[in-house]
Amino acid sequence: DAGVIQSPRHEVTEMGQEVTLRCKPISGHNSLFWYRQTMMRGLELLIYFNNNVPIDDSGMPEDRFSAKMPNASFSTLKIQPSEPRDSAVYFCASSLIMETKETQYFGPGTRLLVL
Amino acid sequence: KNQVEQSPQSLIILEGKNCTLQCNYTVSPFSNLRWYKQDTGRGPVSLTIMTFSENTKSNGRYTATLDADTKQSSLHITASQLSDSASYICVVSDRSGGYNKLIFGAGTRLAVHP
Repeated sequence: DAGVIQSPRHEVTEMGQEVTLRCKPISGHNSLFWYRQTMMRGLELLIYFNNNVPIDDSGMPEDRFSAKMPNASFSTLKIQPSEPRDSAVYFCASSLIMETKETQYFGPGTRLLVL
Repeated sequence: KNQVEQSPQSLIILEGKNCTLQCNYTVSPFSNLRWYKQDTGRGPVSLTIMTFSENTKSNGRYTATLDADTKQSSLHITASQLSDSASYICVVSDRSGGYNKLIFGAGTRLAVHP
């Protein structure tokens, strides 16, 4: 299995531009998570999907952020308009929820720089 | 407030030596505790997962311990190798929302020198 796939791996954009990050979870997994990692705040959960339905979006910072999961094999995280403080590494993770110890598998991340 | 605190922030050891990383948490309700390894420029990778009833869990040269009474955990690395250089993140799961919501520590950055 290829693991969780994210694209692009790096993104540099100017303030005010729209940014779209993409994620392909591991085949057969029913849960998908978007995280953000910064030096100041570490790793934080942005949104959690179960069976393509958003369950917990309490971590989404503001209305500029939106996430979709149109099917079991694809998700997007969109920032519009982007701001310099959005600069961070964004991780997608997926898991198969069957028990308490379910493991979340992380993708390689998208490093976003907003100028 | 749910928190996970790790110490030390960073650590330098010589190849072949052992080391122990510490984690204290105040997450409630507690479901399980995980240790992740994150290499530079890559996503975190799970090392161990322990529920409150488990005191120790090993994965090769990595051994994690858990004291649910004192809310402390440690990760012991034996006979360190250069490839152990990474950040080690203690993560506590809160299942109050019906799923494993992960609360991350800030990590310990380990450097193994030859």
